[in-house]
Amino acid sequence: KAGVTQTPRYLIKTRGQQVTLSCSPISGHRSVSWYQQTPGQGLQFLFEYFSETQRNKGNFPGRFSGRQFSNSRSEMNVSTLELGDSALYLCASRREGGILAKNIQYFGAGTRLSVL
Amino acid sequence: GNSVTQMEGPVTLSEEAFLTINCTYTATGYPSLFWYVQYPGEGLQLLLKATKADDKGSNKGFEATYRKETTSFHLEKGSVQVSDSAVYFCALSDPRSNYKLTFGKGTLLTVNP
Repeated sequence: KAGVTQTPRYLIKTRGQQVTLSCSPISGHRSVSWYQQTPGQGLQFLFEYFSETQRNKGNFPGRFSGRQFSNSRSEMNVSTLELGDSALYLCASRREGGILAKNIQYFGAGTRLSVL
Repeated sequence: GNSVTQMEGPVTLSEEAFLTINCTYTATGYPSLFWYVQYPGEGLQLLLKATKADDKGSNKGFEATYRKETTSFHLEKGSVQVSDSAVYFCALSDPRSNYKLTFGKGTLLTVNP
């Protein structure tokens, strides 16, 4: 069974540009969450999508947005990039259900974004 | 809100040494607790988990016990290997927030031969 797939693995952008990152969850998983990892702030929750709806949101500015498609694939977008947006962006998927086993989050390898 | 505090390290050990990485948490509900591991250039891999008080999670020689009385979930391994070198993250998952993960800052472990 394929794991969580994130594309691209690496991105280099300049300040002011926008970027779109993609995440394909494990087959059968309906929830997709995004996390930002930086050396200073560690791992921070961005948002979660389920059934094409944003269900949970972290404390990030509106420049960070996302969406989920009917096949559960998700994209996140960052507009007007700032130097501080340089980070590893991780996507995680879970099946969703009434027991913990269905709610464990499995992570992709991440997209490393560098803003110059 | 929920929070996780873990020793930040770095931790440097010789092969076959005993490992402990401390982790404590603050939560108002009944969270599940996890240890994730991140190898260089990779994403996070689930190492072990525990869902309720006194549960012991174990995998690949690593163990951690969910201690509600001390709000702790310390990671231990009796004999580390060079291949265990990685960053280890303690995390909690709260069902009341759709299982959103709250992470500690991570502990870099380096094991020397």
